[in-house]
Amino acid sequence: KQEVTQIPAALSVPEGENLVLNCSFTDSAIYNLQWFRQDPGKGLTSLLLIQSSQREQTSGRLNASLDKSSGRSTLYIAASQPGDSATYLCAVPETSGSRLTFGEGTQLTVNP
Amino acid sequence: DTEVTQTPKHLVMGMTNKKSLKCEQHMGHRAMYWYKQKAKKPPELMFVYSYEKLSINESVPSRFSPECPNSSLLNLHLHALQPEDSALYLCASSQVAAGVLTGANVLTFGAGSRLTVL
Repeated sequence: KQEVTQIPAALSVPEGENLVLNCSFTDSAIYNLQWFRQDPGKGLTSLLLIQSSQREQTSGRLNASLDKSSGRSTLYIAASQPGDSATYLCAVPETSGSRLTFGEGTQLTVNP
Repeated sequence: DTEVTQTPKHLVMGMTNKKSLKCEQHMGHRAMYWYKQKAKKPPELMFVYSYEKLSINESVPSRFSPECPNSSLLNLHLHALQPEDSALYLCASSQVAAGVLTGANVLTFGAGSRLTVL
């Protein structure tokens, strides 16, 4: 059964810092990996999707990488801003069906 | 339209009430999902509909009753809930009805309905 782990569980940084969020998964036979952002009490917003054949995806100040062989993905946030404060979740689909396996999330706080 | 719309945003109900959560999408997606999320936990899958037919029920108690009247709408009927059912209920949709989340067949989530059971 796929297990997804995110480290750290919480992170607090001053504004302007570059930071890295980590996601690891136990079964490397994944189709893709998706990073989501969730603001408190809100739904999930998809940030980046990396296909299994890709090594990275970029969107603005966000860059996600994928290393299937080692079962790892990272989300790099450049020049962090207070508006980046949220919980970041990574998720991979189970190979056999419709289920997404989520990590527990990293709660990010960017201080002005 | 690239949104999944959920109503109501907040719902407070007693344990004897009957209420419904509603979800709507106009992206032409053929798979729709209900997730439950407790505070500081990741979402947990409850139900999956594929081409308006229930394809996955994750052993959810019968006090939760899903309904998919058409390809754009998904309801979750609530009856005789318990206080521990209080949570954020998230609806999602994806393009492919086959259900396998491959390639670009990714989930689009709604903003959620915050349910409090007294």
